Amino acid sequence: GQQLNQSPQSMFIQEGEDVSMNCTSSSIFNTWLWYKQDPGEGPVLLIALYKAGELTSNGRLTAQFGITRKDSFLNISASIPSDVGIYFCAGSGSGSARQLTFGSGTQLTVLP
Amino acid sequence: DVKVTQSSRYLVKRTGEKVFLECVQDMDHENMFWYRQDPGLGLRLIYFSYDVKMKEKGDIPEGYSVSREKKERFSLILESASTNQTSMYLCASRRTGALYGYTFGSGTRLTVV
Repeated sequence: GQQLNQSPQSMFIQEGEDVSMNCTSSSIFNTWLWYKQDPGEGPVLLIALYKAGELTSNGRLTAQFGITRKDSFLNISASIPSDVGIYFCAGSGSGSARQLTFGSGTQLTVLP
Repeated sequence: DVKVTQSSRYLVKRTGEKVFLECVQDMDHENMFWYRQDPGLGLRLIYFSYDVKMKEKGDIPEGYSVSREKKERFSLILESASTNQTSMYLCASRRTGALYGYTFGSGTRLTVV
């Protein structure tokens, strides 16, 4: 199946710092999504990207759909303690009945 | 507020037991999914269902089966639980065509001893 490489696997940052994480794919995706999973909960959608080159913001979060359609990044500016959690990228190509393929996740810890 | 409810947050079962994980959604969604989540491996699709009584294998179906007798309910069955099935299990649903519209449950953490 399709493979997504997400990095970094974990991050420890100081409150107020900016964060960047990314995903790369072995194949072209038509849709990129970013989810956040709070401890003890299921993932929740943060941002959806549908077009190569698209740059979308949601508050302090910004995500981009790479122009090659094989990568995406998520930036979080001015991190706060509630940003703690696991962030997943997910992508969908034209095959596999448009099911989502998930990255391995980035565990974010924000230190006060 | 729309919801996907998984019947148990934590389960401990013995090796060889038959285990049922239940998932119910109240959004009238056609599609439902079962994922398993393991550290460093992300979310891996076990089975999904497009509609009542329909099911499709995902990426890691071995050792699992599913049942979708009613639209709102999707059950994951471990026919004979093994220790390598110890994991977090997540159920999700979405309306057909709404690719971004996955709603996840809170998960069931299953430990097989």
